[in-house]
Amino acid sequence: GAVVSQHPSWVICKSGTSVKIECRSLDFQATTMFWYRQFPKQSLMLMATSNEGSKATYEQGVEKDKFLINHASLTLSTLTVTSAHPEDSSFYICSAREGEQYFGPGTRLTVL
Amino acid sequence: DAKTTQPTSMDCAEGRAANLPCNHSTISGNEYVYWYRQIHSQGPQYIIHGLKNNETNEMASLIITEDRKSSTLILPHATLRDTAVYYCIVRVHGSSNTGKLIFGQGTTLQVKP
Repeated sequence: GAVVSQHPSWVICKSGTSVKIECRSLDFQATTMFWYRQFPKQSLMLMATSNEGSKATYEQGVEKDKFLINHASLTLSTLTVTSAHPEDSSFYICSAREGEQYFGPGTRLTVL
Repeated sequence: DAKTTQPTSMDCAEGRAANLPCNHSTISGNEYVYWYRQIHSQGPQYIIHGLKNNETNEMASLIITEDRKSSTLILPHATLRDTAVYYCIVRVHGSSNTGKLIFGQGTTLQVKP
């Protein structure tokens, strides 16, 4: 199947700082990418849909000014958590669609 | 997208078949049944999908009832590495549509030696 990578795989940051997570489709071009968040012992929650060259569509309750998404090319989408706080600590997972939807390995964010 | 109902957890003996059920009684005619699994601390992995016919690939088989209101994912010879949370999701198929994958709580499958 198609391969999706994420970088970094884990990150620890101080409260108030911003963190950028990259999502890349390695062997295919993805017009649409998705960002999910997962808290411990919970299911994945869709945060936003990212379309190349246009603004992301955010799910209800997700702050677009806090979670900045940029999908500048057909193989790269980035999620920036701005002014991160401890409650933003979570497992962030991206996915890209080429027919089927393929997921990255996830990024563990810990905000101190 | 239609909602799905799965058992919270299941156990299976190593080497035996694991049969994971899913109810999707409100599925629409153009919605497919998808199965993904998530091994601890990893991203979800695509397993299989189908519309109305039974499907089989190198990972699993998918059996969909004739009325399409339920389905069963079958792992023919479960191994310890199949221990994971299995998600059954229904959505409209195709790269040109905007159908999103919405995850429910899934079934935690524990394969035991």
